[in-house]
Amino acid sequence: DAGVIQSPRHEVTEMGQEVTLRCKPISGHNSLFWYRQTMMRGLELLIYFNNNVPIDDSGMPEDRFSAKMPNASFSTLKIQPSEPRDSAVYFCASRRSGGLAGGGEETQYFGPGTRLLVL
Amino acid sequence: GQNIDQPTEMTATEGAIVQINCTYQTSGFNGLFWYQQHAGEAPTFLSYNVLDGLEEKGRFSSFLSRSKGYSYLLLKELQMKDSASYLCAVRDRSPPGGANNLFFGTGTRLTVIP
Repeated sequence: DAGVIQSPRHEVTEMGQEVTLRCKPISGHNSLFWYRQTMMRGLELLIYFNNNVPIDDSGMPEDRFSAKMPNASFSTLKIQPSEPRDSAVYFCASRRSGGLAGGGEETQYFGPGTRLLVL
Repeated sequence: GQNIDQPTEMTATEGAIVQINCTYQTSGFNGLFWYQQHAGEAPTFLSYNVLDGLEEKGRFSSFLSRSKGYSYLLLKELQMKDSASYLCAVRDRSPPGGANNLFFGTGTRLTVIP
């Protein structure tokens, strides 16, 4: 089975430009997570979808960030306008939720990440 | 909120045993995960604990004490390929909507030397 797919793998852009990151979760997984990883702050959850519905976006830094999940097999994370401090690795992860209420070894599977550099 | 602490860096010798500790504070604990992340790669799942005690998986074991808010990852018979960052993550059901999110520590960078 294919794992979580992310594109692009690398993105270099200039400050002020719009950046769109894409994610295809593992087929059959109904929860999708967007994370950002930096040396200073580690891995931070940005937003979490369950059955295509945003459940918790409290980690989204500010209004410049937005995420959508129009269907079960695709999600986007958009930054507009981008700033140098947005430079990080952005990971998408998915898992199959359900069964025990919030329990069980329902681990998240991570995509390869998008390395974003904003100049 | 969540507060997860683990050492920043550790060094160990090939063939030895190393223990990576993690302490956490969370209001809605619902499981603890360990992930391995090689440089430039995505985190990969290693282990899961939700009850107190030791879970063993080959060379890797993970321990949990919920009353102490403490976990450790034990790596035996270290190999050079074990050089990586090890991330402790706590699942918390207390965020709005009971989202059961994972909250990650900043990771422990392990270097295995010959």
